Amino acid sequence: DQQVKQNSPSLSVQEGRISILNCDYTNSMFDYFLWYKKYPAEGPTFLISISSIKDKNEDGRFTVFLNKSAKHLSLHIVPSQPGDSAVYFCAASLNTDKLIFGTGTRLQVFP
Amino acid sequence: DSGVTQTPKHLITATGQRVTLRCSPRSGDLSVYWYQQSLDQGLQFLIQYYNGEERAKGNILERFSAQQFPDLHSELNLSSLELGDSALYFCASSVERIAGAHEQYFGPGTRLTVT
Repeated sequence: DQQVKQNSPSLSVQEGRISILNCDYTNSMFDYFLWYKKYPAEGPTFLISISSIKDKNEDGRFTVFLNKSAKHLSLHIVPSQPGDSAVYFCAASLNTDKLIFGTGTRLQVFP
Repeated sequence: DSGVTQTPKHLITATGQRVTLRCSPRSGDLSVYWYQQSLDQGLQFLIQYYNGEERAKGNILERFSAQQFPDLHSELNLSSLELGDSALYFCASSVERIAGAHEQYFGPGTRLTVT
């Protein structure tokens, strides 16, 4: 049972435009959500997180939105840069430190 | 550089063998987590240790075991290896959960290939 889903395996965006990565979850008890970025041959790198009591968190070019009623979160990257090309994972936690990851979305930012 | 180190980087072994993967957490982090990433899959949580004690268990096979030592480094032991155990194994560490601190910091991973 996949509790955290990233239904788009890939996304291609032009440099300077907005990248929107989506994530859906099934467990309404999740209390924290995180986004990680992963380059090939490296471990995931923490990007940004949001508590379930908030609906938006912003850090520079990265903004995460949480819609609890729809059990949906999204990561917006504005403006997108070629260095943002990577695989992005969303993750959720439930009262523990265990993270449940989605399967990832490969973002490609082209010039 | 996350500050989490993992050795070895690559490991190739045969079916039926046993291997040990090693992880050193970031300085000051008491929790260590192990994750498995198979081809085209997300990261699957295996097990968590906190200050030497097992804290949480995920989808970890009985052939797999882990421990965390007094110096806080951790080892993941995989035995009776099967072809399907070929995967990337990541270690992560974090501070104890304080005021919503959930971020885990990942090492570079160990790529295990079972032939």
